[in-house]
Amino acid sequence: AQKVTQAQTEISVVEKEDVTLDCVYETRDTTYYLFWYKQPPSGELVFLIRRNSFDEQNEISGRYSWNFQKSTSSFNFTITASQVVDSAVYFCALEDSRTGGFKTIFGAGTRLFVKA
Amino acid sequence: GAGVSQSPRYKVAKRGQDVALRCDPISGHVSLFWYQQALGQGPEFLTYFQNEAQLDKSGLPSDRFFAERPEGSVSTLKIQRTQQEDSAVYLCASSPGLAGGYNEQFFGPGTRLTVL
Repeated sequence: AQKVTQAQTEISVVEKEDVTLDCVYETRDTTYYLFWYKQPPSGELVFLIRRNSFDEQNEISGRYSWNFQKSTSSFNFTITASQVVDSAVYFCALEDSRTGGFKTIFGAGTRLFVKA
Repeated sequence: GAGVSQSPRYKVAKRGQDVALRCDPISGHVSLFWYQQALGQGPEFLTYFQNEAQLDKSGLPSDRFFAERPEGSVSTLKIQRTQQEDSAVYLCASSPGLAGGYNEQFFGPGTRLTVL
């Protein structure tokens, strides 16, 4: 069965620190997609990144970077030089072809507090 | 451009009441998803529409839950005879294309349902 595990429930850092949010997934399929979403206090989930299972290149977008490692079934997210505005809940999610692409499985989320 | 909107934003119901939650997706979006998010948890898939067709309702927790999208745009999630365990945030998301990892989902702000 598909599963997404975000072992870190809450993380607290001081502004300008780097922080890595962990994500481990389980799927039996060879074709799947991984996502990260941000949920600020307003409640709306905001898409951050999508990665398909055939593309293991790491990606950097500004202060955000993602490390996808199929060998360890992990898709970790790093924020460099964190800012107070990064405070939110971050969700990792999985969608695989076996579900027909209809069902996205979310992790339980990691709440990030960035203190000034 | 308008994003996904949901109404009401907050709903308080007495146990046993019926409720109807509305989702207005982004205009022209083919796919529409409903999720249930319990406090401190990630969103859990409820159902998926492709235009007016409900292609997957495997996540609906009981036959008290019913969703429709009769004209392929606005969708309504109805919960009959509400129970306390139905208390959660109900999220709606839309996507421009068919469901699949190549299409990101755009989320609404959610409706927070509290059943007393």
